[in-house]
Amino acid sequence: AQTVTQSQPEMSVQEAETVTLSCTYDTSESNYYLFWYKQPPSRQMILVIRQEAYKQQNATENRFSVNFQKAAKSFSLKISDSQLGDTAMYFCAFIGRSSGGSNYKLTFGKGTLLTVNP
Amino acid sequence: KAGVTQTPRYLIKTRGQQVTLSCSPISGHRSVSWYQQTPGQGLQFLFEYFSETQRNKGNFPGRFSGRQFSNSRSEMNVSTLELGDSALYLCASSTYGTAMNTEAFFGQGTRLTVV
Repeated sequence: AQTVTQSQPEMSVQEAETVTLSCTYDTSESNYYLFWYKQPPSRQMILVIRQEAYKQQNATENRFSVNFQKAAKSFSLKISDSQLGDTAMYFCAFIGRSSGGSNYKLTFGKGTLLTVNP
Repeated sequence: KAGVTQTPRYLIKTRGQQVTLSCSPISGHRSVSWYQQTPGQGLQFLFEYFSETQRNKGNFPGRFSGRQFSNSRSEMNVSTLELGDSALYLCASSTYGTAMNTEAFFGQGTRLTVV
C-alpha cells in the first residue's frame, strides 16, 4: 500500500524567512508523481508544485522548491521569503497505480499547518 | 473556465438521516474523486469515478456511496449518519484517465455537521 507521512503537524516561520516542510512516502512503484498542495483558510486546495520520480532535478516554482530524495523516499518543500499569504495547510501527495490495479490513485499525507508570522 | 463546484457548502443533519452531496467537475474532466477531511485523520480517500464507473474505493463503510452521471457530475451519499461523519467533504476533478502528472482541481468542499 502507498502511504504518505508528514511528521510535522504544525510549523511557524517569520515573514521573509525560509521554512522546510517534510514528507516521506512508501511505494513499490518505480514511476510516480509527487505533489505539494496548499489549502488556505478559505479551504480551496491548490497545487503548489509537482515532481516526477524519474526526474533527478528538483522542481522549482518561484519561491517554492522541493528536495526530492528518491532512494530515501523523501520529498520536502522549501518556501523561501515566506509571505503572510503562505499561511495554510500544506499536503504532500503521491500518485501511482493503485494496489494491484491499473488505475491511478492520489494519496495524501495528513498535512502540516504552516503559520507565517509578521 | 469554471472551477469545481460543490453544493451545498454547508449542511446540518441529524444522526440517522441520509445526505447527498453534489460535485460538478471542470468541463472536460472525466475523473471525480471524493475525500473526507477531518482534523484528526487529514484527507481520506473515499472513491473515484471515471466515465460513470467507480475505479477506486477507499476504506469506508458501505454507508458511503457515490455515482457519476454521463455529464461527469458526481454525487456522494451517506446513509444512516453518525456523529463521526461530521467533516469537510472535498471533491476533486482531473484527467487521470490519461496521465498521472495532471493536477487535481478541488472544490471548496461541503461542511457536513451531524448532530
